[in-house]
Amino acid sequence: DAGITQSPRHKVTETGTPVTLRCHQTENHRYMYWYRQDPGHGLRLIHYSYGVKDTDKGEVSDGYSVSRSKTEDFLLTLESATSSQTSVYFCAISDPGPATNEKLFFGSGTQLSVL
Amino acid sequence: GQQLNQSPQSMFIQEGEDVSMNCTSSSIFNTWLWYKQDPGEGPVLLIALYKAGELTSNGRLTAQFGITRKDSFLNISASIPSDVGIYFCAPGGGAAGNKLTFGGGTRVLVKP
Repeated sequence: DAGITQSPRHKVTETGTPVTLRCHQTENHRYMYWYRQDPGHGLRLIHYSYGVKDTDKGEVSDGYSVSRSKTEDFLLTLESATSSQTSVYFCAISDPGPATNEKLFFGSGTQLSVL
Repeated sequence: GQQLNQSPQSMFIQEGEDVSMNCTSSSIFNTWLWYKQDPGEGPVLLIALYKAGELTSNGRLTAQFGITRKDSFLNISASIPSDVGIYFCAPGGGAAGNKLTFGGGTRVLVKP
């Protein structure tokens, strides 16, 4: 997994509760991403980061926030989880450069169930 | 926004068969990448294409960057059981910058 650890690997929570997913990398890659995977939708970008404290929204960012206080950690927070946020969440990393910034390395995913 | 269509959505393979899948988009891209996802894991990069018309191989896998820059194809020759998984196309560059968009995936299954 190219030195990418996602935690937790599985989580079950209730509607309305806050949830934080963590992505930790040991590759010192500058770019980090959060995707969600749902049947029929492939992988959709939630938020991404170009560096410490430098984040931006992806195509499905509503209901999610992120923080990156250190190069190695990228946190995804669901402030008030809803059932529509039940999904598999993947963290990915890449390095800037014309032949590298699109070559993403993915973590093993977090299965989140919101009941 | 741009539309990205990956087909087929699923396919059954028999060992030894050649299989093909493709992605088409309404937008022009500068790169096309293909990823494979094994069950319970994150996607892994298979092939990256950077030039229109480019044909690149990785073992039994061959991918092509369409000449119009709006499509790409992936072929698997002489399929084996471990080819099972979900294959994603992911175009990038152009207006998308380095934010990859992923196709809906092609799920490859083994014929019973």
